[in-house]
Amino acid sequence: ETGVTQSPTHLIKTRGQQVTLRCSSQSGHNTVSWYQQALGQGPQFIFQYYREEENGRGNFPPRFSGLQFPNYSSELNVNALELDDSALYLCASSYRDGGQETQYFGPGTRLLVL
Amino acid sequence: AQTVTQSQPEMSVQEAETVTLSCTYDTSESDYYLFWYKQPPSRQMILVIRQEAYKQQNATENRFSVNFQKAAKSFSLKISDSQLGDAAMYFCAYRRLRSGSARQLTFGSGTQLTVLP
Repeated sequence: ETGVTQSPTHLIKTRGQQVTLRCSSQSGHNTVSWYQQALGQGPQFIFQYYREEENGRGNFPPRFSGLQFPNYSSELNVNALELDDSALYLCASSYRDGGQETQYFGPGTRLLVL
Repeated sequence: AQTVTQSQPEMSVQEAETVTLSCTYDTSESDYYLFWYKQPPSRQMILVIRQEAYKQQNATENRFSVNFQKAAKSFSLKISDSQLGDAAMYFCAYRRLRSGSARQLTFGSGTQLTVLP
């Protein structure tokens, strides 16, 4: 039990729709990272937020966007959904303290795009 | 760019025996962190063990230990006295140390561990 929660647990959308996934960070954490995990693969970094600002981005198009709120919870938004967006979306929270920063993961949201 | 390679897609071990999972990585940096995460069928990624590259001593956490060979860029995980609950997908991950940049994890492709009763 990491204290990181995500909602919803499962979601089914159709191609072209938009989706919002939510993450609640572990208490005391100020950084949140989002990852996409396709079936049978390791997670791929989407982006990271630190104190409400995007602090780095992986190789994902602009239709993947995010927000971090003052309470450090976060949202991942995906516009114009494509079939390849079907995956497990993981968020991870951490406390940035200058070096030792371990990411703790939520249980994930399984997105299916039809 | 950093890459992490796990060359064993699947491994199996008898309950109470010892198993070693392999991981190699490629980086031009001298300071970084390495991690092993476990992902059971419940999907939640759980931290197993962490190693700081500047530390010579190999990390241990109860039945889990690592063999960190910095020059060879190798980071293997040893699980002793394997238990049925150890069955999961295991991911090796790398994170750069440098401040001011995103501290994202770079993952390998995973090793599916089966524990046989």
